[in-house]
Amino acid sequence: DTEVTQTPKHLVMGMTNKKSLKCEQHMGHRAMYWYKQKAKKPPELMFVYSYEKLSINESVPSRFSPECPNSSLLNLHLHALQPEDSALYLCASSRLDRGRIQETQYFGPGTRLLVL
Amino acid sequence: AQKVTQAQTEISVVEKEDVTLDCVYETRDTTYYLFWYKQPPSGELVFLIRRNSFDEQNEISGRYSWNFQKSTSSFNFTITASQVVDSAVYFCALSGGLKAAGNKLTFGGGTRVLVKP
Repeated sequence: DTEVTQTPKHLVMGMTNKKSLKCEQHMGHRAMYWYKQKAKKPPELMFVYSYEKLSINESVPSRFSPECPNSSLLNLHLHALQPEDSALYLCASSRLDRGRIQETQYFGPGTRLLVL
Repeated sequence: AQKVTQAQTEISVVEKEDVTLDCVYETRDTTYYLFWYKQPPSGELVFLIRRNSFDEQNEISGRYSWNFQKSTSSFNFTITASQVVDSAVYFCALSGGLKAAGNKLTFGGGTRVLVKP
């Protein structure tokens, strides 16, 4: 089973709203990722959590706030977004190997976000 | 810095034709991994294949095959006897270094494949 689930599938929000994106996996993976993908562009890494701790933040604006409450869940809290933040937000997970192996990332279906 | 280049932005073929997608990469890491992902219109990135830098053996898996050549820094991907369901955007990606804190994927720009019936 290589399933990563994301909710909601679609989200429309105003610039003053607060919303959250959710991601869940039950593969026992200890690394989880948020990516942002604009139309006709490749995904861009936003955040990486390893062992439930934030390990990589790709200089993402503070209006995006990630949270990893446990090893299966990953949230992305959104507040005061701008129209240019409209995009497909993808969650991924992978195993972690403390040695040498770069594990495969498995992606969820994404949340299509529209900021008005 | 790492870089992945997919020179083909769009390829259009008729069903049953073979399709080869080109991927060229740059990295200073001595150990790295290369991936191909498929993104259908639904949006989900589907993992297809992974190769590591110390294994240049090329393989075939069903209708998919790949050609990894370290000497030319290329990792090309072929779909044999294409089908309409193969229509999607295909991304080549690179992950390098020895990191225990999660790996950062560097994606190419993607190649849109359109298979016509």
